[in-house]
This record gives sequence, structure tokens and C-alpha cells, in this order.
Amino acid sequence: GAVVSQHPSRVICKSGTSVKIECRSLDFQATTMFWYRQFPKQSLMLMATSNEGSKATYEQGVEKDKFLINHASLTLSTLTVTSAHPEDSSFYICSAILFGQRTDTQYFGPGTRLTVL
Amino acid sequence: SQQGEEDPQALSIQEGENATMNCSYKTSINNLQWYRQNSGRGLVHLILIRSNEREKHSGRLRVTLDTSKKSSSLLITASRAADTASYFCATDAKLGGYSTLTFGKGTMLLVSP
Repeated sequence: GAVVSQHPSRVICKSGTSVKIECRSLDFQATTMFWYRQFPKQSLMLMATSNEGSKATYEQGVEKDKFLINHASLTLSTLTVTSAHPEDSSFYICSAILFGQRTDTQYFGPGTRLTVL
Repeated sequence: SQQGEEDPQALSIQEGENATMNCSYKTSINNLQWYRQNSGRGLVHLILIRSNEREKHSGRLRVTLDTSKKSSSLLITASRAADTASYFCATDAKLGGYSTLTFGKGTMLLVSP
């Protein structure tokens, strides 16, 4: 149980375009989802925390107008990278916390590799 | 900001040997978790140890936590080539009612057959 999926797994886009990444909890409802970013051979950096039905909370230094997060349901959160540039190329990973459960474990998606040309 | 710092950054061993990775952190925590990541993939949760626990086992994994030294170690016994991956510790400070994980830089483990 507690499977989280991401779509797409890989995306290549041209500079200036916008890219949407979906994060879904497949077999559970998630009150909270998190978005992380990981550069090659580096650690995960939390970008924002997404709560269903409310505005996301962004970490310091993360531009909310560039990384739009929508958490419209208890099973889906989306991250849109607007006007993507090559420096936005990275591995984006989401995670989710089970609704109504002890919030000690995050379940991670498989990640989305974004390459901006 | 990153809190956990793993060492070593990279570790290369032979199959059958034990692998020990260490993690240090700076602030008070609710719990500490270890994750595994295969190259280019998502994270797999390995084990969670709470701040009031000192040692925990799961199969070939043994985790210790010393809150006085703000450090943890992950021991993988009888390593296998399939254990080759990056291992991250993550501290949970539980801010705002839900867990917020802060990841360390990771240890890249290479197990040779």
C-alpha cells in the first residue's frame, strides 16, 4: 500500500515553456504532499508543502510564481514549472502523508526528470 | 536548509562486508529516518528511529541514534551488490503539526561482487 506515482517520469522541453508534473497517491488519501528538488549527486531540497484545498507553503528562496502548486484533491497535487529555463533542469520528487494517520512517514514518488533545452 | 550531514560521502566495499554510514544533525528532532535511492529513481524508506529510541533493527539494517551527540549510524550487514545505492538520512522536526523532512547530502555506497 501507500503508492505514490508521478507523471511524466521524464520530460524535455524548450526554454520558455511551462511544464506540469503530477503527483498522485494511488491507494490512499493524502492530506499533505511535499515537493522536492534534487540536483545531480546532491540531496533533496524541500521546495514547498501542499495541503489539499489551501495555498502551498513555499520554502525560503523558492519562487512561488515560478513553481505553481495546486492540490485540488486528496489524491492529486500538481507542480507547474512556468517559463522553464535550463537552470530549472533537475529531478523533481513528490511525497505524501496518509490522511488521518500518524504523520511520521512520507511516501515518495519515483521522481520526474526535467530537462530544459 | 540541510541539517543532516552524512559521512562518508562515498563508500566502496566488497560483497559480504558490512557498511556503516554516519549522519550528524544540528537541531532537536522528533525522529530520524534513513532512505535509499537507486540512481535516478525515487526514495525508498528504510527505517525510522524516534528520538526516545537508541537502536533499531530491520533485517540486515541496524540504526543507532545518539541524541546527545546529535548523530545516527546506519549499518548494513553482509552487503550485497544490490545494496549499491545512495543512502540519505532525514531529520523530522515536526513543524506545524506534520513532518517536515530535512535531508542530508547522502552516502553513495558501491558494493562490488
